[in-house]
Amino acid sequence: LAKTTQPISMDSYEGQEVNITCSHNNIATNDYITWYQQFPSQGPRFIIQGYKTKVTNEVASLFIPADRKSSTLSLPRVSLSDTAVYYCLVGDHDFGNEKLTFGTGTRLTIIP
Amino acid sequence: NAGVMQNPRHLVRRRGQEARLRCSPMKGHSHVYWYRQLPEEGLKFMVYLQKENIIDESGMPKERFSAEFPKEGPSILRIQQVVRGDSAAYFCASSPLAGRDNEQFFGPGTRLTVL
Repeated sequence: LAKTTQPISMDSYEGQEVNITCSHNNIATNDYITWYQQFPSQGPRFIIQGYKTKVTNEVASLFIPADRKSSTLSLPRVSLSDTAVYYCLVGDHDFGNEKLTFGTGTRLTIIP
Repeated sequence: NAGVMQNPRHLVRRRGQEARLRCSPMKGHSHVYWYRQLPEEGLKFMVYLQKENIIDESGMPKERFSAEFPKEGPSILRIQQVVRGDSAAYFCASSPLAGRDNEQFFGPGTRLTVL
């Protein structure tokens, strides 16, 4: 399994763009990169998934360079409600390997 | 469409007692996953079940833990003879189908405290 490394914590002010980078040097050819968000006392929630280049949805963007050894989750114009732990997951998650492997995540705190 | 439901939300047990955690997946979802989360750590996979079948139990401790997902009713995670180290948050997730393209939807968790 590809191991991921993310910053333990980050602080940002409201209204700013936040970028959280995840390193995954041993990513395999079939692996996808997935990000989850977890609020206190709640279960994780899927944010975005990608394989290469850039993926964007209504919540975030995911940037993946050509070598795929890292990825960056970008949250535009954060608000206080974006305070949460963000997990970067790497795996193929395909048939027979659906289990998700979570690291310790990045604790993002938004400051008013 | 109600989300994944777990009960109880909080459970207190004394050492040696049994804990039963229930998970009702989202309507139409036949795949259930259980994860455990210790304080300040990420979630750790325990078991993956499809209706009446255990698909992957590679994360389940060999002793005292068992899981089922019967044809009718919720999925049950059962912990026998609980010890203090079992204190954690237990999350259930469900998906409609297997495979990468099917997002896992998580419940609110059951927080187990062993005295």
